[in-house]
Amino acid sequence: DQQVKQNSPSLSVQEGRISILNCDYTNSMFDYFLWYKKYPAEGPTFLISISSIKDKNEDGRFTVFLNKSAKHLSLHIVPSQPGDSAVYFCAAQGGSEKLVFGKGMKLTVNP
Amino acid sequence: DAGITQSPRHKVTETGTPVTLRCHQTENHRYMYWYRQDPGHGLRLIHYSYGVKDTDKGEVSDGYSVSRSKTEDFLLTLESATSSQTSVYFCAISPTLASGGSDEQFFGPGTRLTVL
Repeated sequence: DQQVKQNSPSLSVQEGRISILNCDYTNSMFDYFLWYKKYPAEGPTFLISISSIKDKNEDGRFTVFLNKSAKHLSLHIVPSQPGDSAVYFCAAQGGSEKLVFGKGMKLTVNP
Repeated sequence: DAGITQSPRHKVTETGTPVTLRCHQTENHRYMYWYRQDPGHGLRLIHYSYGVKDTDKGEVSDGYSVSRSKTEDFLLTLESATSSQTSVYFCAISPTLASGGSDEQFFGPGTRLTVL
């Protein structure tokens, strides 16, 4: 059973608009959450993370929000740029679990 | 960029043949991981290592073995490759164990393996 779910496989937005990528998790022991970005033919690269003691973490155009009661996190990209087009993976860790990844979501930012 | 290389980058092999993929790091990180990425499944952990000669199974370890004789090298072996092992394989490293910690993992460029 999937512990980290990215229910939408793809998202398309216009350049300059906001991109919102969602992620849900089921394991209440998860206490650290990360987003990775992956371009074709490259390995994933770390983007941003959030600890369960926070509900928001911001880094430039990227903000991650965590709603522990709903077991939900989201990544906001504002403003979106064509170079943001990639596959984004949500990941979680905590308790006895090593890093658990979602299936990924393909973001396309149209010029 | 973290110093991680994977070899080979691409390989085509036949069912039943043994295959070894190599991950090499220059960061002296203690922890190393092997993942596979498949459409519809994201990244799934195969095996990981928490030190020289210390390894453990991940989520999808059946059909795979690993070895780590040096800090910098982590080998993934498919003893008898099957078509279901056609995938892209990523090695990752981290200074601490990805469990309750705050260190992200750094990934290598990947190896695309095709088993015919």
